[in-house]
Amino acid sequence: KAGVTQTPRYLIKTRGQQVTLSCSPISGHRSVSWYQQTPGQGLQFLFEYFSETQRNKGNFPGRFSGRQFSNSRSEMNVSTLELGDSALYLCASSYRDKDTQYFGPGTRLTVL
Amino acid sequence: AQSVTQLGSHVSVSEGALVLLRCNYSSSVPPYLFWYVQYPNQGLQLLLKYTTGATLVKGINGFEAEFKKSETSFHLTKPSAHMSDAAEYFCAVSDPFGGSYIPTFGRGTSLIVHP
Repeated sequence: KAGVTQTPRYLIKTRGQQVTLSCSPISGHRSVSWYQQTPGQGLQFLFEYFSETQRNKGNFPGRFSGRQFSNSRSEMNVSTLELGDSALYLCASSYRDKDTQYFGPGTRLTVL
Repeated sequence: AQSVTQLGSHVSVSEGALVLLRCNYSSSVPPYLFWYVQYPNQGLQLLLKYTTGATLVKGINGFEAEFKKSETSFHLTKPSAHMSDAAEYFCAVSDPFGGSYIPTFGRGTSLIVHP
């Protein structure tokens, strides 16, 4: 079975721009979660989607948003980028919401 | 609220030596506990998990961890370190039946293996 895939792997943007990251979960998995990883804050939970509905949300500003499609693929969007948004963004999928999460390789976002 | 403390941001061992990475958690009972490993420029890979049953859990690459309820610990061990074990290790806890099933991660421990 193919693992979680994330595109693009690397991204460079400038302040004020917006960005969209994509995540394809493991086939059959219906829950997708997003995390931000930085050296200073570690792994922080952004949000979780299950069957196209946002079920949980972390403590991030409204500039961070996401959605999930009927095929369970998910996207997250960050608008009005700030330097502090530079991070590794990780997507994780699980079969059901309470199941073990499996992570993708991440998207490295650099904001200049 | 659940939380995880990983003692030691860096652990250094010699190749062939015992690896011990410490993790203490705070959670409602019963918790689910996980260890993940992250190699440079990669995502997190599940090493092992405890949900219910046997408290000694065996994972991939020769790692194992023991759930000790009385000590609220879930330390990760490996009898003999290999150079390829050098990576960042994350302990995580979730509380699927009492609180949030979204895992909370520790800050990570960087394992350094010397030849």
